[in-house]
Amino acid sequence: EAQVTQNPRYLITVTGKKLTVTCSQNMNHEYMSWYRQDPGLGLRQIYYSMNVEVTDKGDVPEGYKVSRKEKRNFPLILESPSPNQTSLYFCASRGGETQYFGPGTRLLVL
Amino acid sequence: QKEVEQNSGPLSVPEGAIASLNCTYSDRGSQSFFWYRQYSGKSPELIMSIYSNGDKEDGRFTAQLNKASQYVSLLIRDSQPSDSATYLCAVTSGSSGSARQLTFGSGTQLTVLP
Repeated sequence: EAQVTQNPRYLITVTGKKLTVTCSQNMNHEYMSWYRQDPGLGLRQIYYSMNVEVTDKGDVPEGYKVSRKEKRNFPLILESPSPNQTSLYFCASRGGETQYFGPGTRLLVL
Repeated sequence: QKEVEQNSGPLSVPEGAIASLNCTYSDRGSQSFFWYRQYSGKSPELIMSIYSNGDKEDGRFTAQLNKASQYVSLLIRDSQPSDSATYLCAVTSGSSGSARQLTFGSGTQLTVLP
């Protein structure tokens, strides 16, 4: 089954404790991206990657890092999380013009 | 700053009625236009795409695009309670060879009343 997977689905952490959210797709897509979704603000792109070892900033990259060492994986790294990074995060991969979203990761930073 | 604007709603329509969802965008270079549906607690899923001016129909859904007015809409005919969701407008812009970033509106919450 074609899918985008994310882990963990739910995460509660404390300010400053480094965390990684994993993302994997099995559709051999070159383009992958990370979004955060906040009430009233919609989906905002954090980072995107056009291919292995090619990443670039989206609209709200501050406080986040990404890497793309393999085509299927695109982890999101929060080196020092802060409460304003509490949000719902979606990973997505794009085939043609269609974005396929993962199930989301709900993050709470205390 | 590329912007995509939607009325946040909530929009309520009775079952069987036509629901009309609207979206405007600021970047005249925008090339592709999408409507995503997002059920509460779920991830967005693509329901319509449109690339040229005019109407595009798919079942009960019709997308309308007017590039001169920078306006895209989604009509849902014979609305059903199962259509109750948040509808996200998304626009792709960028020149050829670029990453063609997808910008989302904040979404319109639709409730179809039985």
